Amino acid sequence: DGGITQSPKYLFRKEGQNVTLSCEQNLNHDAMYWYRQDPGQGLRLIYYSQIVNDFQKGDIAEGYSVSREKKESFPLTVTSAQKNPTAFYLCASRGESQPQHFGDGTRLSIL
Amino acid sequence: AQSVTQPDIHITVSEGASLELRCNYSYGATPYLFWYVQSPGQGLQLLLKYFSGDTLVQGIKGFEAEFKRSQSSFNLRKPSVHWSDAAEYFCAVGVEYGNKLVFGAGTILRVKS
Repeated sequence: DGGITQSPKYLFRKEGQNVTLSCEQNLNHDAMYWYRQDPGQGLRLIYYSQIVNDFQKGDIAEGYSVSREKKESFPLTVTSAQKNPTAFYLCASRGESQPQHFGDGTRLSIL
Repeated sequence: AQSVTQPDIHITVSEGASLELRCNYSYGATPYLFWYVQSPGQGLQLLLKYFSGDTLVQGIKGFEAEFKRSQSSFNLRKPSVHWSDAAEYFCAVGVEYGNKLVFGAGTILRVKS
């Protein structure tokens, strides 16, 4: 079945540590997105990529980094510069003239 | 700047009752509008979308929404709510030709039996 796979489902980070969240899609979509979700705030865009080897900052990119070396993969690194990383992270992809399709999310917590 | 307002943080309805979730948007161009639903700990599932044409759009699970340009609204409705509809609902507007989404803060729906 086609879809978006996010891993791991739960992730724990120690202070000062970088962690990487995985997002893989087999929908052949060009565009991919990372969102952060906090209670009562909806989803906020971190980074997005409309094509391989290109990506743009969203509204809350500080403390995060991404890469887009392959069409199907868009990993997100939460760096130690992100002082409040505890949140639910959602990855999405989008085909031409189509709505965004979401993965099941990764919950990141601080030890 | 673009924005989406969902005025109701929580709504409780009885099973079998009708439902309307409100959504107002601010966007200078013709909007692409969406409703998504999220169960706890899960991703978002698309309920319906409006790109153009008929202002009353039908979605999955018996939901519909009506686009009213004069009111900048895109309210979600369902004639008879089921207990399985309990979830969080998000309205979103697509900007930059739909390349990006701006989300509302969400409305949590509780269904009482």
